Amino acid sequence: EVELVESGGGLVQPGGSLRLSCAASGFNFNTYWMSWARQAPGKGLEWVADVKADDSQRYYVDSVKGRFSISRDNARNSLYLQMNSLRSDDTAVYYCVRLGTESRYRPMDVWGQGTSVTVSS
Amino acid sequence: DIVVTQSPDSLAVSLGERATIYCKSSQSVFYKDNKKNYLAWYQQKPGQPPKLLIYWASTRESGVPDRFSGSGSETDFTLTISSLQAEDVALYYCQQYYYDTPTFGGGTKLEIK
Repeated sequence: EVELVESGGGLVQPGGSLRLSCAASGFNFNTYWMSWARQAPGKGLEWVADVKADDSQRYYVDSVKGRFSISRDNARNSLYLQMNSLRSDDTAVYYCVRLGTESRYRPMDVWGQGTSVTVSS
Repeated sequence: DIVVTQSPDSLAVSLGERATIYCKSSQSVFYKDNKKNYLAWYQQKPGQPPKLLIYWASTRESGVPDRFSGSGSETDFTLTISSLQAEDVALYYCQQYYYDTPTFGGGTKLEIK
């Protein structure tokens, strides 16, 4: 069974840092583009970042550029999101998402259950 | 960034009736080289992550009931549920994945009348 399991969320003060992890199973993780998306409380969906299968290309939404870093460890079938300089508007549920194999221009076909991040003093 | 606009914001339909949700992209998401529209639809039930329903504007994901269908091209798209079931109560989102920044519509809340 294809599965994505996020961890690492929690409460953090403005300006703080947090590292999210996503454990993938049930598919050839090292052949897929992977992504993070988020959903603020009561709001819609927002793409955050994605990374190529071999970790050679990374893309970010403008609002997190310079603050967030996406990475992966194919040996561990894991995806990460390092979040620095956190702001209150980063408060959201963060989802680990699978994209395609040959291209990042693909639908988000598998979603994890999400991990909640709250930025508040 | 490309703006994706959904309508209506909410919709109440009787069981067994047709539900139609609209999605409009500010620029075309049609790629001439492969003749595909880079548009997907997702369903999100309370407390759950989104679930992919439709991609390439009209291709149903495996396991999605055939009462769900997608249509449209370039900038204007439609998600239709031909005969509403109780389990279809959810939020529905469209998303374009043609441009470098994927963007979602604001969502449509579907309820039973």
